[in-house]
Amino acid sequence: GAVVSQHPSRVICKSGTSVKIECRSLDFQATTMFWYRQFPKQSLMLMATSNEGSKATYEQGVEKDKFLINHASLTLSTLTVTSAHPEDSSFYICSARDLQGLAGGLNEQFFGPGTRLTVL
Amino acid sequence: LAKTTQPISMDSYEGQEVNITCSHNNIATNDYITWYQQFPSQGPRFIIQGYKTKVTNEVASLFIPADRKSSTLSLPRVSLSDTAVYYCLVGDMYRSGDSGGGADGLTFGKGTHLIIQP
Repeated sequence: GAVVSQHPSRVICKSGTSVKIECRSLDFQATTMFWYRQFPKQSLMLMATSNEGSKATYEQGVEKDKFLINHASLTLSTLTVTSAHPEDSSFYICSARDLQGLAGGLNEQFFGPGTRLTVL
Repeated sequence: LAKTTQPISMDSYEGQEVNITCSHNNIATNDYITWYQQFPSQGPRFIIQGYKTKVTNEVASLFIPADRKSSTLSLPRVSLSDTAVYYCLVGDMYRSGDSGGGADGLTFGKGTHLIIQP
């Protein structure tokens, strides 16, 4: 099946620093990727839609200047948490959709393993 | 996207069949029903998707009545490793989003925490 990877899997940083998380579709191309955030014992919340070659679309309440998204190629999207604070500590998950249906079912979303961010 | 309602948690035992029901009274004509499974500290994993009647794959079955206002995920002969959170999602999986070239992101409800005991 289709595989989506994330790097790093876990990161600890000091308050005020920036952290970059990578999301890669390993065996299919994804013009659109999605970024989610999940706090402990809560459900996933969609943060933004990452579009290859254009600006990301952010959900209401998500600061675009704080969560910078770059979708530079058909297999890579990055999320940068700028000036991270303890309240940004969360589990960040990306997903990708194979719109051509070459990997798995048409329009099935494939999720990465997630990145655990801890801001001290 | 249609709102979904699931039980917060369920308990069962190894070897039993488990049925998790999801209510989606406002489901639209173009909406599909999709179930995902999530283990702690992992991304969700697609289980099954359907539109009407019954769908079966190697891990689960999905039963959808004629009015499509609910659906039931059936897990046959569960094991301890089936302990996870199960999410029911309803939406037009083929609709283009604001990006103009892709479909929308998914809206997850609270999910059902299934606990399997020995």
